[in-house]
Amino acid sequence: DSGVTQTPKHLITATGQRVTLRCSPRSGDLSVYWYQQSLDQGLQFLIQYYNGEERAKGNILERFSAQQFPDLHSELNLSSLELGDSALYFCASSVGYGDMNTEAFFGQGTRLTVV
Amino acid sequence: SQQGEEDPQALSIQEGENATMNCSYKTSINNLQWYRQNSGRGLVHLILIRSNEREKHSGRLRVTLDTSKKSSSLLITASRAADTASYFCATGNYGGSQGNLIFGKGTKLSVKP
Repeated sequence: DSGVTQTPKHLITATGQRVTLRCSPRSGDLSVYWYQQSLDQGLQFLIQYYNGEERAKGNILERFSAQQFPDLHSELNLSSLELGDSALYFCASSVGYGDMNTEAFFGQGTRLTVV
Repeated sequence: SQQGEEDPQALSIQEGENATMNCSYKTSINNLQWYRQNSGRGLVHLILIRSNEREKHSGRLRVTLDTSKKSSSLLITASRAADTASYFCATGNYGGSQGNLIFGKGTKLSVKP
């Protein structure tokens, strides 16, 4: 158990809908990262927050947004869902940001299926 | 875009043999991390090697890093069937516009009993 908790584990929804994925980082970790894993694209970095502030942005669609709350949990919002958004969404957390020793620990993921 | 590229994409060996996976990357890094993923499950952190380190060991794992060649290798010795999984390298590049932990596409390792 990595200590990173993601809910829900599975989500099935229809095209055009909006969903929210939740992540609770390990105790003491200030950084949260979101990744999307699909069969043809591998693990794609979406966005990173550190202590409530956005720190880095990857290939995140405009239909997707995220935030990190004062208690450090994070939510990833996916809207106007398309079939191609079906994927595993992972959250990871780490203690720091921008140093050589930052190990990132991953949750078990949320499997999103858009039908 | 991907930063790390693992090689080979797939590897099949017998139990007891050693498995070597390679990772190449493109830009300067702060560290390089290796992860294991069992089918459809979460990623398990295996080892982190800093950019000023050349070799690191953890149990049956040995990681090397050559920053001049922008490459790393992961060696699993005396492999077991339970090592069957996908292995990913991820490069930590803080301050980069693409984020600070970028993954390759992985090597799928199959260890036959």
